[in-house]
Amino acid sequence: DAKTTQPPSMDCAEGRAANLPCNHSTISGNEYVYWYRQIHSQGPQYIIHGLKNNETNEMASLIITEDRKSSTLILPHATLRDTAVYYCLRTGTASKLTFGTGTRLQVTL
Amino acid sequence: NAGVTQTPKFRVLKTGQSMTLLCAQDMNHEYMYWYRQDPGMGLRLIHYSVGEGTTAKGEVPDGYNVSRLKKQNFLLGLESAAPSQTSVYFCASSPTGYYGYTFGSGTRLTVV
Repeated sequence: DAKTTQPPSMDCAEGRAANLPCNHSTISGNEYVYWYRQIHSQGPQYIIHGLKNNETNEMASLIITEDRKSSTLILPHATLRDTAVYYCLRTGTASKLTFGTGTRLQVTL
Repeated sequence: NAGVTQTPKFRVLKTGQSMTLLCAQDMNHEYMYWYRQDPGMGLRLIHYSVGEGTTAKGEVPDGYNVSRLKKQNFLLGLESAAPSQTSVYFCASSPTGYYGYTFGSGTRLTVV
Protein backbone atom coordinates (compact mmCIF):
# COMPACT_ATOMS: atom_id res chain seq x y z
CA ASP A 1 0.00 0.00 0.00
CA ALA A 2 1.72 3.16 -1.23
CA LYS A 3 -0.14 5.56 1.01
CA THR A 4 1.03 8.50 3.06
CA THR A 5 -0.62 10.39 5.92
CA GLN A 6 -0.89 14.17 6.01
CA PRO A 7 -2.87 16.62 8.15
CA PRO A 8 -5.95 17.82 6.27
CA SER A 9 -5.23 21.52 6.72
CA MET A 10 -2.69 24.03 8.01
CA ASP A 11 -2.41 27.79 8.29
CA CYS A 12 0.70 29.91 7.90
CA ALA A 13 1.32 33.64 8.13
CA GLU A 14 2.79 35.27 5.06
CA GLY A 15 6.56 35.59 5.29
CA ARG A 16 6.88 32.78 7.79
CA ALA A 17 8.13 29.30 7.07
CA ALA A 18 5.49 26.69 6.29
CA ASN A 19 6.37 23.22 7.53
CA LEU A 20 4.19 20.49 6.08
CA PRO A 21 4.58 17.04 7.63
CA CYS A 22 4.05 13.66 6.01
CA ASN A 23 4.07 10.19 7.48
CA HIS A 24 5.18 7.26 5.33
CA SER A 25 6.01 4.69 7.96
CA THR A 26 5.84 1.67 5.62
CA ILE A 27 8.12 3.10 2.96
CA SER A 28 10.68 0.67 1.57
CA GLY A 29 14.36 1.36 1.03
CA ASN A 30 14.19 2.19 -2.66
CA GLU A 31 11.06 4.30 -2.64
CA TYR A 32 11.34 8.01 -3.20
CA VAL A 33 9.19 10.65 -1.53
CA TYR A 34 7.62 13.24 -3.86
CA TRP A 35 5.83 16.47 -3.17
CA TYR A 36 3.38 18.13 -5.53
CA ARG A 37 0.96 20.98 -5.02
CA GLN A 38 -2.32 21.94 -6.63
CA ILE A 39 -3.31 25.57 -6.76
CA HIS A 40 -7.05 26.06 -7.03
CA SER A 41 -8.30 23.88 -9.89
CA GLN A 42 -5.07 23.68 -11.86
CA GLY A 43 -3.16 20.49 -12.56
CA PRO A 44 -0.71 19.46 -9.81
CA GLN A 45 2.76 20.98 -9.95
CA TYR A 46 5.94 19.11 -9.03
CA ILE A 47 7.86 20.63 -6.10
CA ILE A 48 10.64 18.34 -4.94
CA HIS A 49 11.59 14.74 -4.29
CA GLY A 50 14.13 12.80 -2.25
CA LEU A 51 15.28 9.35 -1.20
CA LYS A 52 17.10 9.72 2.11
CA ASN A 53 19.14 12.90 2.02
CA ASN A 54 17.69 16.33 2.60
CA GLU A 55 17.02 18.18 -0.62
CA THR A 56 16.64 21.84 -1.53
CA ASN A 57 15.63 23.61 -4.70
CA GLU A 58 14.37 27.05 -5.62
CA MET A 59 10.88 26.25 -4.39
CA ALA A 60 11.34 24.34 -1.16
CA SER A 61 13.37 22.09 1.10
CA LEU A 62 12.65 18.49 1.93
CA ILE A 63 13.73 17.01 5.23
CA ILE A 64 13.55 13.23 5.51
CA THR A 65 14.05 11.59 8.90
CA GLU A 66 16.90 9.15 9.30
CA ASP A 67 14.53 6.18 9.56
CA ARG A 68 12.64 7.52 6.48
CA LYS A 69 9.28 7.04 8.16
CA SER A 70 8.38 10.70 7.81
CA SER A 71 9.34 13.87 5.99
CA THR A 72 8.68 17.60 6.11
CA LEU A 73 8.29 20.00 3.23
CA ILE A 74 9.51 23.48 4.09
CA LEU A 75 8.47 26.61 2.23
CA PRO A 76 10.95 29.06 3.75
CA HIS A 77 9.02 32.29 3.21
CA ALA A 78 5.40 31.51 2.41
CA THR A 79 3.44 33.94 0.25
CA LEU A 80 -0.25 34.17 -0.54
CA ARG A 81 0.50 32.45 -3.86
CA ASP A 82 1.61 29.36 -1.93
CA THR A 83 -1.97 28.75 -0.79
CA ALA A 84 -2.69 25.32 -2.27
CA VAL A 85 -3.23 21.65 -1.56
CA TYR A 86 0.10 19.92 -1.00
CA TYR A 87 0.45 16.22 -1.75
CA CYS A 88 3.11 13.94 -0.33
CA LEU A 89 3.53 10.77 -2.37
CA ARG A 90 5.78 7.74 -2.44
CA THR A 91 6.84 5.67 -5.39
CA GLY A 92 5.05 2.47 -4.43
CA THR A 93 4.97 -0.31 -6.95
CA ALA A 94 4.70 -0.01 -10.71
CA SER A 95 5.26 3.18 -12.61
CA LYS A 96 2.60 5.37 -11.13
CA LEU A 97 1.97 7.82 -8.30
CA THR A 98 -1.00 7.50 -5.97
CA PHE A 99 -2.42 10.77 -4.67
CA GLY A 100 -4.10 11.05 -1.27
CA THR A 101 -6.19 14.00 -0.13
CA GLY A 102 -3.17 16.14 0.78
CA THR A 103 -2.84 19.12 3.13
CA ARG A 104 -4.69 22.31 2.36
CA LEU A 105 -2.27 25.13 3.22
CA GLN A 106 -3.81 28.54 3.77
CA VAL A 107 -1.34 31.43 3.83
CA THR A 108 -2.76 34.53 5.50
CA LEU A 109 -1.72 38.16 5.84
CA ASN B 1 6.78 24.50 -25.31
CA ALA B 2 3.19 23.35 -24.82
CA GLY B 3 3.89 20.48 -22.40
CA VAL B 4 0.67 18.55 -21.89
CA THR B 5 -2.42 19.69 -23.76
CA GLN B 6 -5.92 18.42 -22.99
CA THR B 7 -8.86 18.72 -25.34
CA PRO B 8 -11.60 19.79 -24.70
CA LYS B 9 -11.40 22.00 -21.61
CA PHE B 10 -15.13 21.80 -20.85
CA ARG B 11 -17.90 19.46 -21.95
CA VAL B 12 -21.48 18.70 -20.99
CA LEU B 13 -22.82 15.26 -21.91
CA LYS B 14 -26.19 13.65 -21.60
CA THR B 15 -26.41 10.30 -19.82
CA GLY B 16 -25.61 7.53 -22.27
CA GLN B 17 -23.63 9.65 -24.71
CA SER B 18 -20.07 8.81 -25.58
CA MET B 19 -17.01 10.99 -25.93
CA THR B 20 -13.24 10.91 -26.15
CA LEU B 21 -10.83 13.10 -24.22
CA LEU B 22 -7.52 13.76 -25.92
CA CYS B 23 -4.20 14.24 -24.20
CA ALA B 24 -1.14 15.27 -26.19
CA GLN B 25 2.41 15.77 -24.93
CA ASP B 26 5.40 17.13 -26.80
CA MET B 27 8.14 16.10 -24.36
CA ASN B 28 8.75 12.59 -25.73
CA HIS B 29 7.68 11.08 -22.41
CA GLU B 30 7.16 7.33 -22.22
CA TYR B 31 4.61 7.34 -19.42
CA MET B 32 1.15 8.88 -19.58
CA TYR B 33 -1.73 8.90 -17.11
CA TRP B 34 -5.38 9.78 -16.76
CA TYR B 35 -6.65 10.89 -13.34
CA ARG B 36 -10.03 12.12 -12.20
CA GLN B 37 -10.68 14.53 -9.37
CA ASP B 38 -14.04 14.91 -7.68
CA PRO B 39 -14.86 17.97 -5.55
CA GLY B 40 -12.83 18.06 -2.35
CA MET B 41 -11.02 14.86 -3.23
CA GLY B 42 -7.54 13.92 -4.29
CA LEU B 43 -6.70 12.60 -7.73
CA ARG B 44 -7.56 9.00 -8.53
CA LEU B 45 -5.79 7.11 -11.28
CA ILE B 46 -8.07 5.78 -14.03
CA HIS B 47 -5.67 4.24 -16.57
CA TYR B 48 -2.06 4.67 -17.48
CA SER B 49 0.44 3.73 -20.17
CA VAL B 50 4.12 2.87 -19.86
CA GLY B 51 4.79 3.23 -23.57
CA GLU B 52 3.30 3.37 -27.04
CA GLY B 53 0.82 0.58 -27.58
CA THR B 54 0.51 -0.29 -23.88
CA THR B 55 -2.22 0.49 -21.35
CA ALA B 56 -2.96 -0.60 -17.79
CA LYS B 57 -5.78 -0.17 -15.29
CA GLY B 58 -5.47 2.19 -12.40
CA GLU B 59 -7.56 2.60 -9.28
CA VAL B 60 -10.93 3.46 -10.89
CA PRO B 61 -10.98 2.07 -14.48
CA ASP B 62 -14.64 1.00 -14.76
CA GLY B 63 -16.62 2.85 -17.41
CA TYR B 64 -13.50 4.10 -19.22
CA ASN B 65 -11.31 2.85 -22.03
CA VAL B 66 -7.98 4.18 -23.24
CA SER B 67 -5.66 3.91 -26.21
CA ARG B 68 -2.03 4.88 -26.81
CA LEU B 69 -1.56 4.38 -30.55
CA LYS B 70 1.04 7.12 -30.78
CA LYS B 71 3.63 7.94 -28.16
CA GLN B 72 2.55 11.55 -27.87
CA ASN B 73 -1.19 10.91 -27.51
CA PHE B 74 -3.26 9.20 -24.82
CA LEU B 75 -7.01 9.01 -25.38
CA LEU B 76 -9.63 8.45 -22.69
CA GLY B 77 -13.03 7.22 -23.85
CA LEU B 78 -16.39 7.13 -22.14
CA GLU B 79 -18.65 4.71 -24.03
CA SER B 80 -21.87 5.45 -22.13
CA ALA B 81 -21.55 8.44 -19.84
CA ALA B 82 -23.13 8.36 -16.37
CA PRO B 83 -23.69 11.20 -13.88
CA SER B 84 -21.12 9.54 -11.59
CA GLN B 85 -18.49 10.39 -14.19
CA THR B 86 -18.98 14.10 -13.64
CA SER B 87 -15.52 15.19 -12.63
CA VAL B 88 -12.39 17.07 -13.61
CA TYR B 89 -10.06 14.89 -15.65
CA PHE B 90 -6.32 15.44 -15.62
CA CYS B 91 -3.79 13.95 -17.95
CA ALA B 92 -0.13 13.70 -17.01
CA SER B 93 3.08 12.50 -18.58
CA SER B 94 6.42 11.50 -17.11
CA PRO B 95 9.81 10.47 -18.48
CA THR B 96 10.35 7.83 -15.82
CA GLY B 97 7.04 6.92 -14.23
CA TYR B 98 8.01 8.55 -10.95
CA TYR B 99 9.94 11.74 -11.40
CA GLY B 100 8.72 14.98 -12.90
CA TYR B 101 5.10 14.45 -13.75
CA THR B 102 3.76 17.23 -15.98
CA PHE B 103 0.01 17.73 -15.76
CA GLY B 104 -2.40 19.22 -18.23
CA SER B 105 -4.83 21.96 -17.25
CA GLY B 106 -7.77 19.58 -16.94
CA THR B 107 -11.07 18.81 -18.63
CA ARG B 108 -14.19 19.67 -16.70
CA LEU B 109 -16.88 17.14 -17.64
CA THR B 110 -20.50 17.31 -16.54
CA VAL B 111 -22.91 14.45 -17.25
CA VAL B 112 -26.57 15.34 -16.91
